[in-house]
Amino acid sequence: DTEVTQTPKHLVMGMTNKKSLKCEQHMGHRAMYWYKQKAKKPPELMFVYSYEKLSINESVPSRFSPECPNSSLLNLHLHALQPEDSALYLCASSQDRSATRNLYEQYFGPGTRLTVT
Amino acid sequence: GQSLEQPSEVTAVEGAIVQINCTYQTSGFYGLSWYQQHDGGAPTFLSYNALDGLEETGRFSSFLSRSDSYGYLLLQELQMKDSASYFCAVVTFRENDYKLSFGAGTTVTVRA
Repeated sequence: DTEVTQTPKHLVMGMTNKKSLKCEQHMGHRAMYWYKQKAKKPPELMFVYSYEKLSINESVPSRFSPECPNSSLLNLHLHALQPEDSALYLCASSQDRSATRNLYEQYFGPGTRLTVT
Repeated sequence: GQSLEQPSEVTAVEGAIVQINCTYQTSGFYGLSWYQQHDGGAPTFLSYNALDGLEETGRFSSFLSRSDSYGYLLLQELQMKDSASYFCAVVTFRENDYKLSFGAGTTVTVRA
């Protein structure tokens, strides 16, 4: 199984709503990531989890709250979002960092397309 | 700060060769990676360069020169299915962990 799955595929939420994005992988990867991608732009790193611990937060606003309940799951909790937060949210994973290639190769899920109204 | 520059668009015909250049300026540089993303799809890993030189993976090759802060992705025997966005991405070590930072992307259009 070389797949990263994300749910839901599409999400429309109001600015006062609370919702969560889910990501799952069963490849035994120990690093997981959240990226945000706007149309015609590159993915922008938001968070890095390594061995279920948050290791990088790219100064993301607190209305985005990540959670890594176990080594296979990654959640992104959303609250009081703004319309400019509308984007494709991508989850990715990679193997442990012991091999050089693993630093470069990340497996991406299909993303959740989020619209904030 | 950090910057990665790559051309915004490239158009070529089937069977041709395309080279996508990437110049970078960043601290904590570890290596260069390349990803492909089709419209509506997820980024997929193509190649990486941890050391100077050429890495060949089938029709795709990638090159790195650390002294020039420069790399490129070479797409050979272009096929229609190669129409996609291609991102160079630097791997840096900062804040006690490794991270991937993507360039703006190059849209490759393959014509018949």
